[in-house]
Amino acid sequence: GQQVMQIPQYQHVQEGEDFTTYCNSSTTLSNIQWYKQRPGGHPVFLIQLVKSGEVKKQKRLTFQFGEAKKNSSLHITATQTTDVGTYFCAGPYAGGTSYGKLTFGQGTILTVHP
Amino acid sequence: NAGVTQTPKFRVLKTGQSMTLLCAQDMNHEYMYWYRQDPGMGLRLIHYSVGEGTTAKGEVPDGYNVSRLKKQNFLLGLESAAPSQTSVYFCASSYGQSREQFFGPGTRLTVL
Repeated sequence: GQQVMQIPQYQHVQEGEDFTTYCNSSTTLSNIQWYKQRPGGHPVFLIQLVKSGEVKKQKRLTFQFGEAKKNSSLHITATQTTDVGTYFCAGPYAGGTSYGKLTFGQGTILTVHP
Repeated sequence: NAGVTQTPKFRVLKTGQSMTLLCAQDMNHEYMYWYRQDPGMGLRLIHYSVGEGTTAKGEVPDGYNVSRLKKQNFLLGLESAAPSQTSVYFCASSYGQSREQFFGPGTRLTVL
């Protein structure tokens, strides 16, 4: 079945350092979504990428969708303690009508040391 | 506008007991989902619904049942709880395909 893999599983950074998490799908995706989950919280939608090679920015966050639409990345510039949490990528279920179903990656847990 | 709410927030069950988790959304979303989250495994889809009166199995449906009698509510039932069902359960809803999902605050369930 479809697999969505994220690396790394954990990332510890000093405040001010950059951070990147990578997402790879076993199948071509029509779109990819990114979510953030704060410790003890619930996933919150960040962004959706649709086009091949698309790049979107949200302040210090840069999201990219690969040319083959099988991979994506999230880069945070100059991390802050408010960036702490788990970042998930998610792609639509492969095969037939997805009905909005998503396959989530395992997530990257980001720790920021002040 | 409360978004997506879940009750209860915490629950401890003994093996073999049953319970129902309630999810409610006030955004008039057609699609609703139940996930479980376990350490290192991301979010896995248990069951989902594409409208009132409809339900379908997700990735890990065994041991769970669901009902969507009203558009705004999606219930997840455990008929005979097992320790393997210890997890954090999230409900989510969305406007439709290729749209973002809105998550509830979660229910932390422990089965002893």
